[in-house]
Amino acid sequence: AQSVTQPDIHITVSEGASLELRCNYSYGATPYLFWYVQSPGQGLQLLLKYFSGDTLVQGIKGFEAEFKRSQSSFNLRKPSVHWSDAAEYFCAVGARTNAGKSTFGDGTTLTVKP
Amino acid sequence: DGGITQSPKYLFRKEGQNVTLSCEQNLNHDAMYWYRQDPGQGLRLIYYSQIVNDFQKGDIAEGYSVSREKKESFPLTVTSAQKNPTAFYLCASSIGVLSGSTDTQYFGPGTRLTVL
Repeated sequence: AQSVTQPDIHITVSEGASLELRCNYSYGATPYLFWYVQSPGQGLQLLLKYFSGDTLVQGIKGFEAEFKRSQSSFNLRKPSVHWSDAAEYFCAVGARTNAGKSTFGDGTTLTVKP
Repeated sequence: DGGITQSPKYLFRKEGQNVTLSCEQNLNHDAMYWYRQDPGQGLRLIYYSQIVNDFQKGDIAEGYSVSREKKESFPLTVTSAQKNPTAFYLCASSIGVLSGSTDTQYFGPGTRLTVL
């Protein structure tokens, strides 16, 4: 069975500082990996995804993530955080062999200090 | 514009009543999903459908029912058998594995259901 762990429930960073959100997954084969962002009371928006190829993927809003197979990780990074980045972030793992279903982590809430 | 719509945005229900949440997509996606989100928790899969007239239970299907009579629509009924239905409900769709593609999911804006 596939699973996702986001170790940090809540992270606070200052505006302009760098950000790294951690994600560890468990899956027997090559996974499909996703990061989504959710603003309060809204649906989820895809930030970026990894299916194959280059292990460093670029997404929207200046985010990037790196797939590290040896560590079963897919951490999300941003060099300089903006106040508008405050939201909840979800990592997810999916696979075509699993009827296309994705399993989501419990999320990390990002607070940005002025 | 293509996308997923959910209605209503807010829904109030008395205990013992069934209620149906709407989900419509015009992305021509084969697969559709319903998730439940509780505060401080991730998304839990209720039901999913890979093609019209077919659907499967997810991890927390008890007390819920769905139908998939049209490709564009995947309504969710919260029945009186659901013991704790107050939550935020999200609908999603994806191209679908049957189309030979990957499973990026696109989400609707959600419906917040409150049981009074």
